[in-house]
Amino acid sequence: AQSVTQLGSHVSVSEGALVLLRCNYSSSVPPYLFWYVQYPNQGLQLLLKYTSAATLVKGINGFEAEFKKSETSFHLTKPSAHMSDAAEYFCAVSPHLGSARQLTFGSGTQLTVLP
Amino acid sequence: NAGVTQTPKFQVLKTGQSMTLQCAQDMNHNSMYWYRQDPGMGLRLIYYSASEGTTDKGEVPNGYNVSRLNKREFSLRLESAAPSQTSVYFCASTEGLAGGDTQYFGPGTRLTVL
Repeated sequence: AQSVTQLGSHVSVSEGALVLLRCNYSSSVPPYLFWYVQYPNQGLQLLLKYTSAATLVKGINGFEAEFKKSETSFHLTKPSAHMSDAAEYFCAVSPHLGSARQLTFGSGTQLTVLP
Repeated sequence: NAGVTQTPKFQVLKTGQSMTLQCAQDMNHNSMYWYRQDPGMGLRLIYYSASEGTTDKGEVPNGYNVSRLNKREFSLRLESAAPSQTSVYFCASTEGLAGGDTQYFGPGTRLTVL
């Protein structure tokens, strides 16, 4: 069975500082990996996804994530935080030979950006 | 395109009341999903519909029923609401059922059961 762990339910950074949100997965084979963002009172929106092409994936709003098989990680980064990045971020995993119905979400990380 | 729409946005029910949450997508997607979101637990799948005319249980189906009315619409019904069903409900859709397909989410329905 697959699972995903997000380290840190709350992360605070100063505006302009590096954003690093951690995600580790457990799966017998490299899965599909996703990062979604949820702004207050809104639905989830895809930031980026890994589908076994390039290990460094670039997404919207300047975010990127690197798939590291040896570390079973898919951490999300942004070089310089902006106030508008304040939101909740979810890492999710789907089995490579499975179904979209098997998408498993992490518990989320709330990002606060301090002025 | 509106994407995925949900109605209502907010709802307060008393224990034992029933209600139906509506979801529609205009992206011609085949598959649709209902999730619930609870604090600290991410999203959990309630039911899904792989294609028009089919529905299947997800991780937490108890207390819910669904109907795939047509390719566009997928409704979620609570027959006898319980306080444990207080949650935020999201509808989503994908083009197909492949593991790499992106899920597109609606804005959510915030339900409180007293």
